[in-house]
Amino acid sequence: QQQVKQSPQSLIVQKGGISIINCAYENTAFDYFPWYQQFPGKGPALLIAIRPDVSEKKEGRFTISFNKSAKQFSLHIMDSQPGDSATYFCAARGSYIPTFGRGTSLIVHP
Amino acid sequence: DTGVSQDPRHKITKRGQNVTFRCDPISEHNRLYWYRQTLGQGPEFLTYFQNEAQLEKSRLLSDRFSAERPKGSFSTLEIQRTEQGDSAMYLCASSSTSVGEQYFGPGTRLTVT
Repeated sequence: QQQVKQSPQSLIVQKGGISIINCAYENTAFDYFPWYQQFPGKGPALLIAIRPDVSEKKEGRFTISFNKSAKQFSLHIMDSQPGDSATYFCAARGSYIPTFGRGTSLIVHP
Repeated sequence: DTGVSQDPRHKITKRGQNVTFRCDPISEHNRLYWYRQTLGQGPEFLTYFQNEAQLEKSRLLSDRFSAERPKGSFSTLEIQRTEQGDSAMYLCASSSTSVGEQYFGPGTRLTVT
């Protein structure tokens, strides 16, 4: 049973465009929703995270939108850059162990 | 560099052999986690230590897997009698509190031939 569903599996955008990655969760006990960025040969690194008491969080070009009633959250990358090309994972955590989505491979063309 | 380090970065072994990986967490972090990541998947939790105590193990951690953190600092993950299905990236992470952010190491990529 996949508790966190992530889409799309892959995404190609042009430089300067908006990248949008969506996730949905099932367990209402989840109370912390981080996004991780992973480059080839590296471990995941925290990008931005949100708690369900807010509907949106913005850090630079990265924004999380959170819809508690729909149990969905998404990552928006504004003004996407070639350096943003990586795999992005959403996750949801209720205790101390996050459950990860399957990842989205983002390619930003120059 | 004071991040999480893992050794080796790559390991190729023949089926049936034993392998051991090492993780050195961030020095002030007393919580250490092991994950497995296969191609096209997110990391999957294997086990968790608070100091030297192993507090939780996933059902993914079969009897062939054992993890230790003898002095509450570095940790080792051993896989006995490796199988081709064990081929994956093994990630280590550490945190300073149970709800604090986890910082991941670069991983050890295991290939079982």
